[in-house]
Amino acid sequence: QKEVEQNSGPLSVPEGAIASLNCTYSDRGSQSFFWYRQYSGKSPELIMSIYSNGDKEDGRFTAQLNKASQYVSLLIRDSQPSDSATYLCAASSLYQLTFGKGTKLSVIP
Amino acid sequence: EAGVAQSPRYKIIEKRQSVAFWCNPISGHATLYWYQQILGQGPKLLIQFQNNGVVDDSQLPKDRFSAERLKGVDSTLKIQPAKLEDSAVYLCASSEYSETQYFGPGTRLLVL
Repeated sequence: QKEVEQNSGPLSVPEGAIASLNCTYSDRGSQSFFWYRQYSGKSPELIMSIYSNGDKEDGRFTAQLNKASQYVSLLIRDSQPSDSATYLCAASSLYQLTFGKGTKLSVIP
Repeated sequence: EAGVAQSPRYKIIEKRQSVAFWCNPISGHATLYWYQQILGQGPKLLIQFQNNGVVDDSQLPKDRFSAERLKGVDSTLKIQPAKLEDSAVYLCASSEYSETQYFGPGTRLLVL
């Protein structure tokens, strides 16, 4: 059974701070990892993908992957109220995504 | 480039009725997925198509759910008969020959 675990939160951070979101996955065969943002009542929107160990930066977002520890994280720098959403971590194996339950992030102005 | 289209956006039915959802993927995307997302959960894969063939339907409740993708383009997901626990958002996603999936707006189903 493939599983992706995330802390459901809510995670509250003040505006301008760094938000740190984490997830772990069970399937060592997973090759690619994705972070999706989901606003309330909306569908998931892809924000980051990562395939290799280490860090990948895109604007205010940094994804980190450690395959040995089966651990993926997402850092959001200079958090804005518009970042308030649920963040879904997904692991891909054979072109299929397994999602975590998501972490709800609230950025307090 | 147009995104994934889904209809209807909302549907309210009574239990034991039937319902159908439609999805049109991004043009040229060979792979199409249907997911079920229950409130407070992440999306759960129901079925994966590659062109007009089924790749994986192991998590599709086949006693009541069916899906097809005729001509390898748009797809229909049907529930018959619906149960209360089928209340969820049904998401369609598509991908080109890669692992990156793009989601449609979803169909919100409420079964009373």
